[in-house]
Amino acid sequence: SQQGEEDPQALSIQEGENATMNCSYKTSINNLQWYRQNSGRGLVHLILIRSNEREKHSGRLRVTLDTSKKSSSLLITASRAADTASYFCATDPLGGGSQGNLIFGKGTKLSVKP
Amino acid sequence: NAGVMQNPRHLVRRRGQEARLRCSPMKGHSHVYWYRQLPEEGLKFMVYLQKENIIDESGMPKERFSAEFPKEGPSILRIQQVVRGDSAAYFCASLATGSYEQYFGPGTRLTVT
Repeated sequence: SQQGEEDPQALSIQEGENATMNCSYKTSINNLQWYRQNSGRGLVHLILIRSNEREKHSGRLRVTLDTSKKSSSLLITASRAADTASYFCATDPLGGGSQGNLIFGKGTKLSVKP
Repeated sequence: NAGVMQNPRHLVRRRGQEARLRCSPMKGHSHVYWYRQLPEEGLKFMVYLQKENIIDESGMPKERFSAEFPKEGPSILRIQQVVRGDSAAYFCASLATGSYEQYFGPGTRLTVT
């Protein structure tokens, strides 16, 4: 089964609301990263959280990591229509054998309505 | 500093033809990763290369697929005798030594007719 599974699969909110996306994974990790992908485009790196960190902030983004539950959440506060995109978590597995062999989930499609 | 470049952006091939996808990493980055993305799916790791070396090809199909990253020039992902199931978006990402943040290119969308 897949490492890094996001839920919900799709999320629709109004502009100004907060959006929370969750990610679960199965094996121990070095770090977990969140990426954004606009339709038909490449991925943009949002934030990285290391296995020994519990929370990290970057602008309107807040990421938490619970290694005991093997889960992470991405919170986008005060969402904007421009935040509409797919969001992926990616894990860098511990002892993965090669640097940076990221394992991606299927993503959460976020739609922010003006 | 230009980002990761991929070309072509769109590629159409008939079944049985060869597809060559190119990736130029960011300046100063010596690690290149190739991923494949099927519609409505996340990215799947294919291969990890450093200059002139394949480090990890565990995600690459054993047949028809090959990758290289020569001393000079871009990294190439080559798919021989393409089949319809090869239709996907192929992304490459580059990484600086000692970093964990991968920078992705815009992708090549391969359509096999």
